[in-house]
Amino acid sequence: GESVGLHLPTLSVQEGDNSIINCAYSNSASDYFIWYKQESGKGPQFIIDIRSNMDKRQGQRVTVLLNKTVKHLSLQIAATQPGDSAVYFCAEIPISNFGNEKLTFGTGTRLTIIP
Amino acid sequence: DAGVTQSPTHLIKTRGQQVTLRCSPKSGHDTVSWYQQALGQGPQFIFQYYEEEERQRGNFPDRFSGHQFPNYSSELNVNALLLGDSALYLCASSSLTGGRPQHFGDGTRLSIL
Repeated sequence: GESVGLHLPTLSVQEGDNSIINCAYSNSASDYFIWYKQESGKGPQFIIDIRSNMDKRQGQRVTVLLNKTVKHLSLQIAATQPGDSAVYFCAEIPISNFGNEKLTFGTGTRLTIIP
Repeated sequence: DAGVTQSPTHLIKTRGQQVTLRCSPKSGHDTVSWYQQALGQGPQFIFQYYEEEERQRGNFPDRFSGHQFPNYSSELNVNALLLGDSALYLCASSSLTGGRPQHFGDGTRLSIL
């Protein structure tokens, strides 16, 4: 079936450096993508989203890039801080589910910021 | 502005028992979705409620059922608990007409002995 996957399960980055978390998706009909951050003992927290008609979207210290040709999504975090340490999930909503909001999650990438 | 709230935070049950988990959506949201998150995995969609009806269901057995109340709050019920039902159960809310994304609560950690 369709799924969202991640290239790397773990990533360690020096504090102050930039980090890039990658995600591959297999459903070419996907309409909408979201990055969530999940800290230990907490639920997923919305970071940034992007629709399939966009290639790039920026937020505060974060940028999401979408490459529909190779079905690849990435999350860039600038000037990482200790509070950025968490598991990051990408999730997708296929266009067929518009209005029904069924999220399909990947396994996640654990980001560790080294002081 | 209260976010999504879930209760209880932790729960311990034994095999064969039944459990009810509760969720209050974020203010202004009318749609509630439930997810199961096994340790080290991403959340898996269970089902979604809107206008007190189940609108969509994931690949979960009938032992998993739910309900949505007129105030948009929701319950997840699991019957005949199995050891494999041990997981973090997450509730997410959204506004069907107000746009995305879904906002999550901190979940209920269910342990089956």
